[in-house]
Amino acid sequence: DVKVTQSSRYLVKRTGEKVFLECVQDMDHENMFWYRQDPGLGLRLIYFSYDVKMKEKGDIPEGYSVSREKKERFSLILESASTNQTSMYLCASSPWRAGTGELFFGEGSRLTVL
Amino acid sequence: GESVGLHLPTLSVQEGDNSIINCAYSNSASDYFIWYKQESGKGPQFIIDIRSNMDKRQGQRVTVLLNKTVKHLSLQIAATQPGDSAVYFCAEVTGANSKLTFGKGITLSVRP
Repeated sequence: DVKVTQSSRYLVKRTGEKVFLECVQDMDHENMFWYRQDPGLGLRLIYFSYDVKMKEKGDIPEGYSVSREKKERFSLILESASTNQTSMYLCASSPWRAGTGELFFGEGSRLTVL
Repeated sequence: GESVGLHLPTLSVQEGDNSIINCAYSNSASDYFIWYKQESGKGPQFIIDIRSNMDKRQGQRVTVLLNKTVKHLSLQIAATQPGDSAVYFCAEVTGANSKLTFGKGITLSVRP
């Protein structure tokens, strides 16, 4: 069974704290993605990576950064958390197949910033 | 700008009836479309996909229809079951790097 594991299901942080969201996949996929999900807005792409040490901005990268030091691990970093970053964060991976877009998602990390 | 959207935010159906979930897209360059299902407390899961050179594709109890003329995508679920209750997202894939753009999601509620 393919698996994408997000290290924390629920986090509560204070404004200004640095937050790390970790994601690990065991499928040897080249591509990894971070989305945030908000009611009425659907899934919005924050950052993605097509290779180790490679990253590209998605649609809403402001306030976030990422790290891809190993193929299986993709971390999302909030340098200084703010209340508007309270959300559900979803990590996903996909195999390197041009023209296809099936993503395998983790179960999500619900972050609350107080 | 380009967008992927769903016509209605919620859909309620009787158990055993067929469900039809609709989606409009506006990027004519999109060449691949996917439907995802997200159950409560879980991440989205792939249901079915269709390429732009097809009009229809069938899976187990699900059918996806693509009308490129009006840029419309639909997901049909036959004999809807309580386990089908979830949020459904359509997504379009554009470009060689397979970037997905998701719709906002529609909640399907199945009445017993």
